[in-house]
Amino acid sequence: QVQVQQWGAGLLKPLETLSLTCGVYGGSFSAYYWSWIRQAPGKGLESIAEIDQSGTTYYNPSLKSRVMISVDTSRSQFSLKLTSLTAADTGVYYCARGRGFSFVYSGWGQGTLVTVSS
Amino acid sequence: EIVLTQSPGTLSLSPGERATLSCRASQTVYTSYLAWYQQKPGQAPRLLIYGASSRATGIPDRFSGSGSGTDFTLTISRLEPDDFAVYYCQQYGSSPRTFGQGTKVEIK
Repeated sequence: QVQVQQWGAGLLKPLETLSLTCGVYGGSFSAYYWSWIRQAPGKGLESIAEIDQSGTTYYNPSLKSRVMISVDTSRSQFSLKLTSLTAADTGVYYCARGRGFSFVYSGWGQGTLVTVSS
Repeated sequence: EIVLTQSPGTLSLSPGERATLSCRASQTVYTSYLAWYQQKPGQAPRLLIYGASSRATGIPDRFSGSGSGTDFTLTISRLEPDDFAVYYCQQYGSSPRTFGQGTKVEIK
């Protein structure tokens, strides 16, 4: 079964850049779509960025100017960068695996709590 | 962007009762690409239903999904203690993928 595990810094200052990476274990990296999703404290889920098997990326319009998703197929990893952080970016960030070639999320990372504070 | 509105915000029920959760979309969801997730405190969401009515692997048959177009429903036939959680719908047919605001199912 394909598992995902994520890592990255969780305490950042305003205007800094968030960098998170998700490693994929136990399956073919190229057989799935990959995504980043976040959840502000006490709030719902928000899609941030996605990438399909051809490398086409999709970004939430509200974040598009600040976000980038990338893949390293040789390492079976994908990453998120979010620039110019503000307190509004505080929350739990999840990486997720699509169910095959779709953006319905059947595998999730453990989540990373990101706190933006001076 | 497709906006998903879930109702009710909170559902207070007892174990053994039936739960009916609604998800309404601001425009037609492409080929019923509608999913439901369960989330418990401190945990990542878990996929329950995809394609509006197909159960994900390992999901018990007391969970069922229905609907098409703009109106979708998640039904839990008989609530078990482990089912008390927050439930989210998600449309994945168009970009950006969007979620509803969630329905909390709490113990009455």
